[in-house]
Amino acid sequence: DAKTTQPTSMDCAEGRAANLPCNHSTISGNEYVYWYRQIHSQGPQYIIHGLKNNETNEMASLIITEDRKSSTLILPHATLRDTAVYYCIGGSETSGSRLTFGEGTQLTVNP
Amino acid sequence: DTGVSQNPRHKITKRGQNVTFRCDPISEHNRLYWYRQTLGQGPEFLTYFQNEAQLEKSRLLSDRFSAERPKGSFSTLEIQRTEQGDSAMYLCASSVRTGDYGYTFGSGTRLTVV
Repeated sequence: DAKTTQPTSMDCAEGRAANLPCNHSTISGNEYVYWYRQIHSQGPQYIIHGLKNNETNEMASLIITEDRKSSTLILPHATLRDTAVYYCIGGSETSGSRLTFGEGTQLTVNP
Repeated sequence: DTGVSQNPRHKITKRGQNVTFRCDPISEHNRLYWYRQTLGQGPEFLTYFQNEAQLEKSRLLSDRFSAERPKGSFSTLEIQRTEQGDSAMYLCASSVRTGDYGYTFGSGTRLTVV
């Protein structure tokens, strides 16, 4: 699995966009980038994933650089309920379908 | 179907006792995973099943740990002779197919060994 590097913590004002960066310079060609988040005392929640192209769903957008060495998760209008630890994970079928979580980024959305 | 269900939510046990946790995955999901999470750390993979077959086990899964999924539906994780270092959140997740990383996690079972 690709090693990923994320900032330990970030703050964001409510209603503003939250941009969470992730470096994954060792990612291989068949590895996807996955984002999960974990709200305190709950299990992780899947957000989005992508391979090369940018992706958008009802929760967030994922921007992957052309060289695939980094990506940014964008929460377009952060709310207080988006306060959570956000995990960026690189993974593929050949990793045995296990997810390797790092320590993630603690995002705090402030009123 | 309301998602992945784990029971109990909390368990306090004395060192040396055996404990068993249960996970009920989403019914159409054939893959089931167990993870362990300690305070301030991300979840760590323990093991996964495809239907009733246990396909991979982490080195974290010592011989005191055993997991089963007898009919390819619910799963149990048993810890024998618990130690204080086993105190953690035990998370279960399920997914629908090979390579599907859109796992659905349960809320976990928090184990405290005293």
